[in-house]
Amino acid sequence: KNEVEQSPQNLTAQEGEFITINCSYSVGISALHWLQQHPGGGIVSLFMLSSGKKKHGRLIATINIQEKHSSLHITASHPRDSAVYICAVKKGGQFYFGTGTSLTVIP
Amino acid sequence: DSGVTQTPKHLITATGQRVTLRCSPRSGDLSVYWYQQSLDQGLQFLIQYYNGEERAKGNILERFSAQQFPDLHSELNLSSLELGDSALYFCASSVAIGSNTGELFFGEGSRLTVL
Repeated sequence: KNEVEQSPQNLTAQEGEFITINCSYSVGISALHWLQQHPGGGIVSLFMLSSGKKKHGRLIATINIQEKHSSLHITASHPRDSAVYICAVKKGGQFYFGTGTSLTVIP
Repeated sequence: DSGVTQTPKHLITATGQRVTLRCSPRSGDLSVYWYQQSLDQGLQFLIQYYNGEERAKGNILERFSAQQFPDLHSELNLSSLELGDSALYFCASSVAIGSNTGELFFGEGSRLTVL
């Protein structure tokens, strides 16, 4: 059983749509990270959360510690948002990764 | 530019060989993390060093080892290479105060191909 589950696995959206990617985890965590990986392979950290909500530009990340669930929202999606989004949780010294959500935004 | 430098970017070698991947963290970051990303297993955490000492170990094989030097750069050594070791190897760094990871800054990765 994977400690981190993401949904959906694949997502196609029209430009301008509101997008939600979900992450559920089964372990107690000290922090949750949302990562973005573009087709070239590079990884960028979008958010680190331990509680509540964070916003950066058109991106919003929320976490509910009691329900062991986090969501990443993208408002007014744009083709440049096309990437794989990966949820990662940290428990003690260990990291556990979701399998990623592949997002394609069509103009 | 994340400020994390990884070399080499690409590496092709043969089974049984040994390679060394290098990572220079962001200026001021004391923690270095190594991750492996393969097509069949996704991203996996290998190992973390903090200020020269091993801090946490993940799914790192016994054939692999790492160290962090006094200047805080780190090296990941992969030996007796097998076809299944072909993957992208990422290094990340963070400030990592106490148990708080802090934001992670990733290098561009080293793509290893074992033939």
